[in-house]
Amino acid sequence: DAGVIQSPRHEVTEMGQEVTLRCKPISGHNSLFWYRQTMMRGLELLIYFNNNVPIDDSGMPEDRFSAKMPNASFSTLKIQPSEPRDSAVYFCASSITFGPSYEQYFGPGTRLTVT
Amino acid sequence: GEDVEQSLFLSVREGDSSVINCTYTDSSSTYLYWYKQEPGAGLQLLTYIFSNMDMKQDQRLTVLLNKKDKHLSLRIADTQTGDSAIYFCAETPNFNKFYFGSGTKLNVKP
Repeated sequence: DAGVIQSPRHEVTEMGQEVTLRCKPISGHNSLFWYRQTMMRGLELLIYFNNNVPIDDSGMPEDRFSAKMPNASFSTLKIQPSEPRDSAVYFCASSITFGPSYEQYFGPGTRLTVT
Repeated sequence: GEDVEQSLFLSVREGDSSVINCTYTDSSSTYLYWYKQEPGAGLQLLTYIFSNMDMKQDQRLTVLLNKKDKHLSLRIADTQTGDSAIYFCAETPNFNKFYFGSGTKLNVKP
């Protein structure tokens, strides 16, 4: 299995531009999570989906952020318009809600820099 | 809400034991986890413990759980330079949302 796939790995954009981050979860996993990691705030959960349905988006910073999961194998996190304070590493993780240990598998992350 | 706390830094010498501590708030968590993040990578599950256990050993790793004090620790025996990473403690009270600590950066000096 290829694991959780995220693209792009690095994104540099100018303030005000739209940014779309992509995630392909592990096949067969039914939960998907978007996290943001910064030095100041550590690892923050932005939103998570269960069976493609958004369950908790209380961590989404503001209306500039939106996430979709149109099917079980794809999710996007969009920032429009982007701001310098959005610079962070964004991780996608997937898991399966049954099994002995309920592990989350993380992707390699997308490092976003907004100038 | 749930709160998972860890100290931010730990520095040890190669060959020594490392102990990383974590406190959590939700006593209903069925599993508690330790994740490892190497530079430039995502988090990877290192080990986990079921809440009805108080100790789990896996090669150089020992996890201790004190449910009364809501305290979790990770001991790494014979710490190597390759163990340098950030270690996250996590709990999941409802089998959906994970609550991660801030991470402890372990620095292993040769």
